[in-house]
Amino acid sequence: GESVGLHLPTLSVQEGDNSIINCAYSNSASDYFIWYKQESGKGPQFIIDIRSNMDKRQGQRVTVLLNKTVKHLSLQIAATQPGDSAVYFCAENRGRALSGGSNYKLTFGKGTLLTVNP
Amino acid sequence: DGGITQSPKYLFRKEGQNVTLSCEQNLNHDAMYWYRQDPGQGLRLIYYSQIVNDFQKGDIAEGYSVSREKKESFPLTVTSAQKNPTAFYLCASSIGGSFYQETQYFGPGTRLLVL
Repeated sequence: GESVGLHLPTLSVQEGDNSIINCAYSNSASDYFIWYKQESGKGPQFIIDIRSNMDKRQGQRVTVLLNKTVKHLSLQIAATQPGDSAVYFCAENRGRALSGGSNYKLTFGKGTLLTVNP
Repeated sequence: DGGITQSPKYLFRKEGQNVTLSCEQNLNHDAMYWYRQDPGQGLRLIYYSQIVNDFQKGDIAEGYSVSREKKESFPLTVTSAQKNPTAFYLCASSIGGSFYQETQYFGPGTRLLVL
């Protein structure tokens, strides 16, 4: 979900449970999506990406699902561990600019704070 | 060890002072970016550069300046015209060139505080 004011949406899970983090994106023309993990005081780390010609992609312990009909993206983390505690945010990109040139600009969501309880 | 480095980790600015944040990458990426991160907000693009000696304003360029004289380096200057500079600044890079739908990789960030 999206944040309100200074507060991020939060998700609290027990160690070993599965986590699902959601993201609603805004631009129906977006065709590339990325999930990042950001630990406190550090730069964002790439987790997984997906292109609009796919609706699911799996990595190690993570799965991204894309529903273009409702413009929704989710990140599933299996067997969540304490080291997974961080802010997770999605980014979207419209690969080609209106002029037909490359478009490098990403639009970022505000993030969800995941807390894993031991 | 390839990656993106930013320095310093913390930077203090006095009123009316210009300060420069360093960003270096050894990934051989053509494109580099500067973002600002404030609590509870998504990353906002300040400037980006697709190739050496060329750069474009992002969404919040006022009060900032950049240069791209070398492929590896993209320093950001926060000028005295930036009235609210306190934030976490992130540098990123991507392959660039003819690619699109590119992943951006981030440095560790610089936290700027005003004295």
